[in-house]
Amino acid sequence: DAMVIQNPRYQVTQFGKPVTLSCSQTLNHNVMYWYQQKSSQAPKLLFHYYDKDFNNEADTPDNFQSRRPNTSFCFLDIRSPGLGDAAMYLCATSLRGWGTDEKLFFGSGTQLSVL
Amino acid sequence: EDKVVQSPLSLVVHEGDTVTLNCSYEVTNFRSLLWYKQEKKAPTFLFMLTSSGIEKKSGRLSSILDKKELFSILNITATQTGDSAVYLCAVEPPSYDKVIFGPGTSLSVIP
Repeated sequence: DAMVIQNPRYQVTQFGKPVTLSCSQTLNHNVMYWYQQKSSQAPKLLFHYYDKDFNNEADTPDNFQSRRPNTSFCFLDIRSPGLGDAAMYLCATSLRGWGTDEKLFFGSGTQLSVL
Repeated sequence: EDKVVQSPLSLVVHEGDTVTLNCSYEVTNFRSLLWYKQEKKAPTFLFMLTSSGIEKKSGRLSSILDKKELFSILNITATQTGDSAVYLCAVEPPSYDKVIFGPGTSLSVIP
């Protein structure tokens, strides 16, 4: 089945130790998003790729970076995680173009803990 | 600033009850409003609404949009424990930049 896959489901890292979260998709969607969701809060968009074009949200900290080496994969790099970065990180995809509805398809998320 | 507001933020009901979840938005010229269900994992898509007054239904769930008054409701009839989840409302502005999520309504259905 076509889907969005995130690995790992749970990630524990130490304060200040770089961590990378992975997302892959078999939907052949041209847009991939990274959202951060803290407990009882709405998902907050960090950035998205439209094809190879990177779009950063104005309030996304510099500590967060992303890479999209090809259509199928997108990575979220947190260079120096702080305690406040502990959250669920959701990857999503959509198909942008004429006649599409841009519905988001989400992966199962990675729950990041920072010790 | 574009904003999506949901109410109530949390709700506890008994199995068999009917619930109505509310979503209001302040988004200029939006393209669509979406409802998602989030259990202890990623959100799953429920409905996309683009036109006022047209109800969308899926089993016991239904939703309708009022573009004049800038709100939508999600109804769940004959609730079951499996309906327990956070229900997220989201709005797509026309700029293709991003989807704006509300804070969600946490629904708990108790036997």
